[in-house]
Amino acid sequence: AQSVTQLDSQVPVFEEAPVELRCNYSSSVSVYLFWYVQYPNQGLQLLLKYLSGSTLVKGINGFEAEFNKSQTSFHLRKPSVHISDTAEYFCAVSDTWGGKLIFGQGTELSVKP
Amino acid sequence: GAVVSQHPSRVICKSGTSVKIECRSLDFQATTMFWYRQFPKQSLMLMATSNEGSKATYEQGVEKDKFLINHASLTLSTLTVTSAHPEDSSFYICSASAGLNEQFFGPGTRLTVL
Repeated sequence: AQSVTQLDSQVPVFEEAPVELRCNYSSSVSVYLFWYVQYPNQGLQLLLKYLSGSTLVKGINGFEAEFNKSQTSFHLRKPSVHISDTAEYFCAVSDTWGGKLIFGQGTELSVKP
Repeated sequence: GAVVSQHPSRVICKSGTSVKIECRSLDFQATTMFWYRQFPKQSLMLMATSNEGSKATYEQGVEKDKFLINHASLTLSTLTVTSAHPEDSSFYICSASAGLNEQFFGPGTRLTVL
């Protein structure tokens, strides 16, 4: 069965510092990988996705992620964060394009001035 | 991009009553809709998958008689929480996809059962 592990439940960081949110997955088949952001009391917004091809994926708001098959990881990075990036971030995996998603536990990113 | 709405955004009900939550795809036809629940500070847990015109497929541990899902049209799915209890209080989120395509998420519905 598929699973997703987000290694950090909380990541505090100062404004304009770089950040990496870690995500590892387990799957025995092809995977589609996603990062979503959730602001308080709101639904999920897609940041980026990996379907195939280039392992470095660029998303919205300056975020990017790198698919590493050998390490089964899909870490999210941003070189310089803003206060407005404070939110909950979820990594998700699916073995079917358009199929059900399995979510990680979430990482709370807190950007401080 | 594709827009998915949910109604209501917040609902408070008494224990024992039933509550219906609507999920609509506003600018596309959603052949598949998904229902998730999210407890505070926790991840999203898939409850069920519904395809238009078919019975929903429920995840293990989700009571289908308690969480009734109807997907009668290509733009509307409803989740009815029957005989709600305080432990059903949660954030319910739907998502929709058109064929084999990306899921688009609704803004969520906060259910509080007193």
